[in-house]
Amino acid sequence: DVKVTQSSRYLVKRTGEKVFLECVQDMDHENMFWYRQDPGLGLRLIYFSYDVKMKEKGDIPEGYSVSREKKERFSLILESASTNQTSMYLCASWGGDQVYEQYFGPGTRLTVT
Amino acid sequence: DAKTTQPPSMDCAEGRAANLPCNHSTISGNEYVYWYRQIHSQGPQYIIHGLKNNETNEMASLIITEDRKSSTLILPHATLRDTAVYYCIVRDSLYNQGGKLIFGQGTELSVKP
Repeated sequence: DVKVTQSSRYLVKRTGEKVFLECVQDMDHENMFWYRQDPGLGLRLIYFSYDVKMKEKGDIPEGYSVSREKKERFSLILESASTNQTSMYLCASWGGDQVYEQYFGPGTRLTVT
Repeated sequence: DAKTTQPPSMDCAEGRAANLPCNHSTISGNEYVYWYRQIHSQGPQYIIHGLKNNETNEMASLIITEDRKSSTLILPHATLRDTAVYYCIVRDSLYNQGGKLIFGQGTELSVKP
């Protein structure tokens, strides 16, 4: 019954490293999202994508980029990781139209040292 | 988007009904009330949504007041596995918002034996 998977549950990287977070959904959804979650700040939208090769900035895109080469896969890229990007990263997908449910992955807890 | 107010935490005895309130006094006519929950170390999970009428599904019931300024999520027989943070989100239909959700701080529900 797995719907949205993320490549790692826990990740530790060094400052300055390039980091890839992968998300895959098996529901043939066109819409995919990347959020980060921090204590006291809730979930904040980083980037989203409405279709293959299409992307739009969310509320906090600085320091991040994304890639959507295939419909089922949405990657979040930290070009040069910094300690303030230590966070829980959550991927989600949505079927569009009048579907009211957004499906989330289990999250990746990234620590940048 | 209408602002929502939820108590930061609540306790409930196992087997009893958990009633989680949400105030949204500035809700507009086209905005829905969505409920999600997030169990520790997992991604958020959709529970239920409603516009005007009360709604029930296999997970919960949603009671919306006639003036729509507040709502209550009811878990009829809470179990220990219902311990989670519950988010009340007021938003136009996901279709009109491009699927984007805005999560606040939510209510941390602790179900105790």
